[in-house]
Amino acid sequence: EAQVTQNPRYLITVTGKKLTVTCSQNMNHEYMSWYRQDPGLGLRQIYYSMNVEVTDKGDVPEGYKVSRKEKRNFPLILESPSPNQTSLYFCASRARTSLVNEQFFGPGTRLTVL
Amino acid sequence: AQSVTQPDIHITVSEGASLELRCNYSYGATPYLFWYVQSPGQGLQLLLKYFSGDTLVQGIKGFEAEFKRSQSSFNLRKPSVHWSDAAEYFCAVGEGGSQGNLIFGKGTKLSVKP
Repeated sequence: EAQVTQNPRYLITVTGKKLTVTCSQNMNHEYMSWYRQDPGLGLRQIYYSMNVEVTDKGDVPEGYKVSRKEKRNFPLILESPSPNQTSLYFCASRARTSLVNEQFFGPGTRLTVL
Repeated sequence: AQSVTQPDIHITVSEGASLELRCNYSYGATPYLFWYVQSPGQGLQLLLKYFSGDTLVQGIKGFEAEFKRSQSSFNLRKPSVHWSDAAEYFCAVGEGGSQGNLIFGKGTKLSVKP
């Protein structure tokens, strides 16, 4: 089954404790992206990747890092999480970079930073 | 810069009634437009998309949307709402041409009353 998976689905952590949210897709997609969703703000893009070893900042990259060492994986790293990073996070992927192709979303990761 | 406005934060309709969710975009060129639905606790699912051609596009679950360039709008419609349509709906525009990223509106939450 074609899908985007994220782990963990739920995470409660404390300020300053490094964490990684994994994202994996099995569709051989070139393009991958991370969003955060906050009430009243919709989805905002954090980082995106056009292909392996090619990443770029989205609209709200501060406090986040990403890497794209393999085509299928695009982990989101919070080196020193803070309470304002409490949010619902979505990973997404699509074939090549063209918007003509459907963008598939993962199920989301709900992160709470105390 | 591109932007998407969904003027209605929350809409309540009766089951069986018609529905129209509004979306206005700001984009200089021909936009790539999308509607996504997010059911409670779920990720985002693509309802429909518009790139070119016929301005009335059909999507899944009985939804349709009409692109009106003169009004910079891409409103989502459904002739008869079902209780299972209760969800949050997001309009999005493709940024930077066909190779770019999605810019999302802040969403409209739809409630359906029996």
